[in-house]
Amino acid sequence: ETGVTQTPRHLVMGMTNKKSLKCEQHLGHNAMYWYKQSAKKPLELMFVYSLEERVENNSVPSRFSPECPNSSHLFLHLHTLQPEDSALYLCASSQEGAGSYEQYFGPGTRLTVT
Amino acid sequence: AQSVSQHNHHVILSEAASLELGCNYSYGGTVNLFWYVQYPGQHLQLLLKYFSGDPLVKGIKGFEAEFIKSKFSFNLRKPSVQWSDTAEYFCAVRRYRTGRRALTFGSGTRLQVQP
Repeated sequence: ETGVTQTPRHLVMGMTNKKSLKCEQHLGHNAMYWYKQSAKKPLELMFVYSLEERVENNSVPSRFSPECPNSSHLFLHLHTLQPEDSALYLCASSQEGAGSYEQYFGPGTRLTVT
Repeated sequence: AQSVSQHNHHVILSEAASLELGCNYSYGGTVNLFWYVQYPGQHLQLLLKYFSGDPLVKGIKGFEAEFIKSKFSFNLRKPSVQWSDTAEYFCAVRRYRTGRRALTFGSGTRLQVQP
């Protein structure tokens, strides 16, 4: 285990549903990330939060809405998704300023949009 | 835009064969370099990383990688693979001293080791 947990591990939702993905890190890190992993494509950065402030938004459609209420928790709120949004969504955390910047990843949420 | 290229998408080796996976990046400035591995059904985990100093870095499970600045490369190597090395391997790059904190990943190389 990496100290980064994600729930749920699997999610099937219709295009009109609203759901949320949750990420929690137990490492005391100050930065958290959402990535999207699709088949045969590189991991795509979606959002970066540093000290609970969104510092990067990688041109993600507005149907994805992140929330970072504190440094340990990160959410990804989903609404009116499209079938092409089906993918593995990965959360990661790191300690900025410590010189390492190594990112620790959670197990991911496998999302299927029907 | 910065990109990371992994030349081999799928590699099949027999046990005890030597492994080299290629990784090239396009950014000309100072970078931090990483190799991550994703075993079947498991999360991404760090194999090794390069920040500065000796360009030959050693990681877990007998893996090593060499940073060649003139070639913008960071190839992963292992002298003798095992069946348990079957996994997907990702190269990642972080620009040093910029506002961009996140990593840029390559598309991954799937390694299949046959017993």
